[in-house]
Amino acid sequence: AQTVTQSQPEMSVQEAETVTLSCTYDTSESNYYLFWYKQPPSRQMILVIRQEAYKQQNATENRFSVNFQKAAKSFSLKISDSQLGDTAMYFCAFRETGNQFYFGTGTSLTVIP
Amino acid sequence: DAGITQSPRYKITETGRQVTLMCHQTWSHSYMFWYRQDLGHGLRLIYYSAAADITDKGEVPDGYVVSRSKTENFPLTLESATRSQTSVYFCASGRVTGYHEQYFGPGTRLTVT
Repeated sequence: AQTVTQSQPEMSVQEAETVTLSCTYDTSESNYYLFWYKQPPSRQMILVIRQEAYKQQNATENRFSVNFQKAAKSFSLKISDSQLGDTAMYFCAFRETGNQFYFGTGTSLTVIP
Repeated sequence: DAGITQSPRYKITETGRQVTLMCHQTWSHSYMFWYRQDLGHGLRLIYYSAAADITDKGEVPDGYVVSRSKTENFPLTLESATRSQTSVYFCASGRVTGYHEQYFGPGTRLTVT
């Protein structure tokens, strides 16, 4: 079975500061896809950012960026200029061939005013 | 412009009862998925469907039944609910091109007493 590990159950960051959430995964494939989803208190799952393993360049979406280290099988999410609305649970997800996703157990992020 | 909807949003049922959770998407995505979310487990795949009349088991299928007679609908039935099925259930739909990212419904909180 594929595994996705998020080793930080809870994190906090001061408003306007930068925070990095970690994610590691296990695979023997050379191409695959990685995602970060955000789940605010409303419970809605929202796609934040995505990365294809073949692409060398790290994905960026406004204040959200990733640090993709293929050899280390690491896919961390960096949130810059943290805002109160970033308070949420963040899930790392992984997809190889086929359409099954594998999710980590999540990191609960609190942005402190 | 509803996207993906789930009903009901909240449900309380008794042990042994049959309950059906509904999922409807307006994007004509081929793939649809059912997950359950439990503390400490992240999201776990129950069943998924590649197209109408094609379904397959995920990680935790026992006690659940699905059907997909129309592309836009993917109901999940608990044939005889148990307390261990108390959870938040998410339906998702996914594209078959590009990153194959999944888009989630708002979730159904099910309590089995």
